[in-house]
Amino acid sequence: DAKTTQPPSMDCAEGRAANLPCNHSTISGNEYVYWYRQIHSQGPQYIIHGLKNNETNEMASLIITEDRKSSTLILPHATLRDTAVYYCIVRVKTGTYKYIFGTGTRLKVLA
Amino acid sequence: KAGVTQTPRYLIKTRGQQVTLSCSPISGHRSVSWYQQTPGQGLQFLFEYFSETQRNKGNFPGRFSGRQFSNSRSEMNVSTLELGDSALYLCASSRVNREAGELFFGEGSRLTVL
Repeated sequence: DAKTTQPPSMDCAEGRAANLPCNHSTISGNEYVYWYRQIHSQGPQYIIHGLKNNETNEMASLIITEDRKSSTLILPHATLRDTAVYYCIVRVKTGTYKYIFGTGTRLKVLA
Repeated sequence: KAGVTQTPRYLIKTRGQQVTLSCSPISGHRSVSWYQQTPGQGLQFLFEYFSETQRNKGNFPGRFSGRQFSNSRSEMNVSTLELGDSALYLCASSRVNREAGELFFGEGSRLTVL
């Protein structure tokens, strides 16, 4: 199964862009990359997903390298409420689908 | 639209006991997955059910089991509880869709084993 590697923690100043990297060098061609975040041990919340192309929604942007071995989640204007653990996940097809979570990056947004 | 509902939210058990956790998925979602979250191991995949059949399984001992009912509700059971089973157990539901497949998580059941 594809695995993801993320830095354990990052800090970001409020109002600045937060760029969270993820390495998924063993990803296969049809496996999607998903990003979730988890606040205070609540259930993880979906942010964005992509396959090959860069994606943007109201929460964030996802940049995937051309070789698909890494990606970056961008929160364009981080707020204190964005302080959370961010998980980069690969969705593997195994009959249905299996989501492989990494250990996540603890993002702290500083005032 | 109601979200994923997990019950109970909190429970305390002693070693050797068993526990059953329940998950009601979002209406129309037929896939239910279970995850164990501990401070040291992060989010670990337990198993996934679709149409009342276990489709995927993680690397957990046979003490961990589950099932899914015809209305897509799911239960997981842990027998002969050990101290290390103390964790937040998360349930997630999704449509099985090639293009999307977004997981929706419940708030979790926090199990403490004494």
